[in-house]
Amino acid sequence: DAGVIQSPRHEVTEMGQEVTLRCKPISGHDYLFWYRQTMMRGLELLIYFNNNVPIDDSGMPEDRFSAKMPNASFSTLKIQPSEPRDSAVYFCASSLNQGLAGGGVQYFGPGTRLLVL
Amino acid sequence: AQRVTQPEKLLSVFKGAPVELKCNYSYSGSPELFWYVQYSRQRLQLLLRHISRESIKGFTADLNKGETSFHLKKPFAQEEDSAMYYCALSDRGSTLGRLYFGRGTQLTVWP
Repeated sequence: DAGVIQSPRHEVTEMGQEVTLRCKPISGHDYLFWYRQTMMRGLELLIYFNNNVPIDDSGMPEDRFSAKMPNASFSTLKIQPSEPRDSAVYFCASSLNQGLAGGGVQYFGPGTRLLVL
Repeated sequence: AQRVTQPEKLLSVFKGAPVELKCNYSYSGSPELFWYVQYSRQRLQLLLRHISRESIKGFTADLNKGETSFHLKKPFAQEEDSAMYYCALSDRGSTLGRLYFGRGTQLTVWP
């Protein structure tokens, strides 16, 4: 397995534009997580899904952020409109149910480095 | 509520010196503790988890339930250990599936 795949790896956009980040989890994993990493705030959980259903989106900063998981192999995180303060590295991670052997460990993607000008 | 505290944001040691990255947690359930590492501009990756009781890259961590700690230790630090280290906690008795991460400690090992 290629691991968790994210695209794009880098995104530079102007304030007000829509940004869509994409994630393909590891096949067979039933949890998917979106994180944001900044120097000031560290690693923040934005939202996570179990079996494609959002479980907790309390970390989503505001209505400009939305996330979907239309199927088990794909998720998107959208920011509309984007603002300079959204500049960060966004990570996607996936895991197996922790009740299963090897479960509970999260596997991270390479991240998307977003810069909003 | 689950809480993971890493009191040191930055930690510097010289090569060959012992290193200890502190992690304290606050949780009344049945926690499972992890250490993740992030090398410069790379993805986070699992370093070790307490139930495995193994040593990875010379690092060990022991869960101390009395002190609610899970400190990461290495007797002789190497330059390639320079990275960001995150302590994380999950509830083994929960089906929620999420991890609670600390703020991270940036370790720098000087030559």
